[in-house]
Amino acid sequence: QSVLTQPPSVSGAPGQRVTISCTGSSSNIGAGYDVHWYQHLPGTAPKLLIYGNSNRPSGVPDRFSGSKSGTSASLAITGLQAEDEADYYCQSYDSSLSGWVFGGGTKLTVL
Amino acid sequence: QVQLVESGGGVVQPGRSLRLSCATSGFTFSKYAMHWVRQAPGKGLEWVSFISYDGSNKYYPDSVKGRFTISRDYSKNTLYLQMNSLRGDDTGVYYCAKEGRYGSYYPFDYWGQGALVTVSS
Repeated sequence: QSVLTQPPSVSGAPGQRVTISCTGSSSNIGAGYDVHWYQHLPGTAPKLLIYGNSNRPSGVPDRFSGSKSGTSASLAITGLQAEDEADYYCQSYDSSLSGWVFGGGTKLTVL
Repeated sequence: QVQLVESGGGVVQPGRSLRLSCATSGFTFSKYAMHWVRQAPGKGLEWVSFISYDGSNKYYPDSVKGRFTISRDYSKNTLYLQMNSLRGDDTGVYYCAKEGRYGSYYPFDYWGQGALVTVSS
C-alpha cells in the first residue's frame, strides 16, 4: 500500500479534462514537502511532468497543470489527446519514513 | 543531452547478489544527487536508494536497508547498486534517476530506461 493515495484509473474522451488526485498525510504533503508528477509509459523512462507542485519543465505542454492544498495535490490534464494515455505518479518526501515516496499510480485511458 | 543507461540486470537465485550500473552523460555527474527507483510487476514505483552529489550521504527504505548499497564512480560518471541477499519481492525493473535542482525544488528530472531484475530459483 502506497503512502500517497491515487485513484487506480481515470478516463476521458479526447478534448475533455481529467484530474488525478494524490492524497497524503501530515508527514509528507501536509508537512509542506513538495509534490512532483511523472508520466510513465510501460517500457520507457518515466518523464517529469510537474515539479514543485505546479511548475512545468521546459517542453511540457500547458495542458498539464498541478496544484497542492493541505494534505493533497492534483494533476489536471485539459484537451485530452490519445498520446496522453499513460500511467501517472505523484511523488513527495515523507519525514516519518525519512525517504522519498510515490503514489500507487493512476492509469489514464483516453476513450 | 542527458542520458542514463542501466545495465547488469538478469535472472538470479534467491539469496544471491547482483550489481546494477547506470552510465551517465550529458551533465556534470559530480554536481548532482542520484537515486534508484524500482517497479515490481504490476505495481507502482518504489524509491530504493539515494546518494548525495559527493557520496557522503546515502539513504535507503527499510525494505532494502542492510542488503543494498548505492555508490558512484566519478571517474566513470557511473552510479551503482549492489544488491545482496536478494528475495523474490526484489523482482522488478530498476531505474536510475538524476535529482534535479529547480530553485528550491528537487524532482527526479531524468530517468533511465530501466534494468530488469528477476529473482527466481
